[in-house]
Amino acid sequence: DTGVSQDPRHKITKRGQNVTFRCDPISEHNRLYWYRQTLGQGPEFLTYFQNEAQLEKSRLLSDRFSAERPKGSFSTLEIQRTEQGDSAMYLCASSLAYDGEKLFFGSGTQLSVL
Amino acid sequence: GESVGLHLPTLSVQEGDNSIINCAYSNSASDYFIWYKQESGKGPQFIIDIRSNMDKRQGQRVTVLLNKTVKHLSLQIAATQPGDSAVYFCAEKEPPGKSTFGDGTTLTVKP
Repeated sequence: DTGVSQDPRHKITKRGQNVTFRCDPISEHNRLYWYRQTLGQGPEFLTYFQNEAQLEKSRLLSDRFSAERPKGSFSTLEIQRTEQGDSAMYLCASSLAYDGEKLFFGSGTQLSVL
Repeated sequence: GESVGLHLPTLSVQEGDNSIINCAYSNSASDYFIWYKQESGKGPQFIIDIRSNMDKRQGQRVTVLLNKTVKHLSLQIAATQPGDSAVYFCAEKEPPGKSTFGDGTTLTVKP
């Protein structure tokens, strides 16, 4: 499978716990994006990387959220001290910088905070 | 802030009919627009794109129209099939890298 892979597919956690999600992009893609999606809404931009550099973060992104892409390949998204409002689908997408507009999405990680 | 929006949250069509899904955008600086299809339990999937220097682009059974005067984008699906049932999002590309999505239209195809 050469598509974008996300792990886990589902995560249930208790409020206040930390969670970490992983994304493996398409291997030749140098851009990687994180989006969040709630039911009935379009994906909301969180942050994106070009290679290992984090180029933009949403102003809506709480300081409880942090993302890394240490070697310019896979990426992790960590949420600290989770809140019920963090419950959502977290989507990862990748693209080529020269064709950065066309995003290839993974199937997402569904987070439920109890 | 500026955002991409869709005119109708739901659309129901008969199999074999043509479907038209509309989207309004407000960021005049956007120079690239994309339509995505999202099926249940999956991430959005690219359908077709168009740059701001074009007003029409055709793919296989899909056509995207761009009207920059009124900041309107539409997706036309010819001979709609049950497999076309999904949520459709338009997105606008903001330089240098971020795409902003609208809230989507749920297309239901009746057999």
